[in-house]
Amino acid sequence: AQSVAQPEDQVNVAEGNPLTVKCTYSVSGNPYLFWYVQYPNRGLQFLLKYITGDNLVKGSYGFEAEFNKSQTSFHLKKPSALVSDSALYFCAVRDGGATNKLIFGTGTLLAVQP
Amino acid sequence: DTGVSQDPRHKITKRGQNVTFRCDPISEHNRLYWYRQTLGQGPEFLTYFQNEAQLEKSRLLSNRFSAERPKGSFSTLEIQRTEQGDSAMYLCASSQDRPNEKLFFGSGTQLSVL
Repeated sequence: AQSVAQPEDQVNVAEGNPLTVKCTYSVSGNPYLFWYVQYPNRGLQFLLKYITGDNLVKGSYGFEAEFNKSQTSFHLKKPSALVSDSALYFCAVRDGGATNKLIFGTGTLLAVQP
Repeated sequence: DTGVSQDPRHKITKRGQNVTFRCDPISEHNRLYWYRQTLGQGPEFLTYFQNEAQLEKSRLLSNRFSAERPKGSFSTLEIQRTEQGDSAMYLCASSQDRPNEKLFFGSGTQLSVL
């Protein structure tokens, strides 16, 4: 079965510093990976996805993610964090069926200090 | 693109009562998903519609839960004889009918069962 793991419940970073939110995956077949962000009292918003091609995927709000097949990882990164980036981040993998449904990780709370 | 709408935003009910939630997806989206999210967890898949057909239900979904999408547009999720364990955020998402399309999420309905 497809699954993702987010090993950190919370990541703290100072504004202006680079940030990384970690995700590892376990799939049978090709991995189709996604990152979503959730702000308080709002739905999940799509950030980026990896389907095939370049291992570095660029997404919304200056975020990018690096796909690493040998380490089965898909870490989310940003060169310079903003206080407004503080939110809950979810990694997800597409289920193997035809529905496009996503299987989500448990989430990582990103706290950016001014 | 007016986004995915969910109604109500909050619902408080007593144990044993029935509740119904509504989701209006993005108009041109054929695919519709219901998820459930509890505190500290990622969204958990409940069920999936393609147009009006319900094509997949989670094995974790109790038979007290039923969902419909009568004309392939809006969808309803009903929970009968609610239990305290049903307290959660219920999220609706929709997507276009293409492989690996991103899901657009609504803001969710927060259910509290007393």
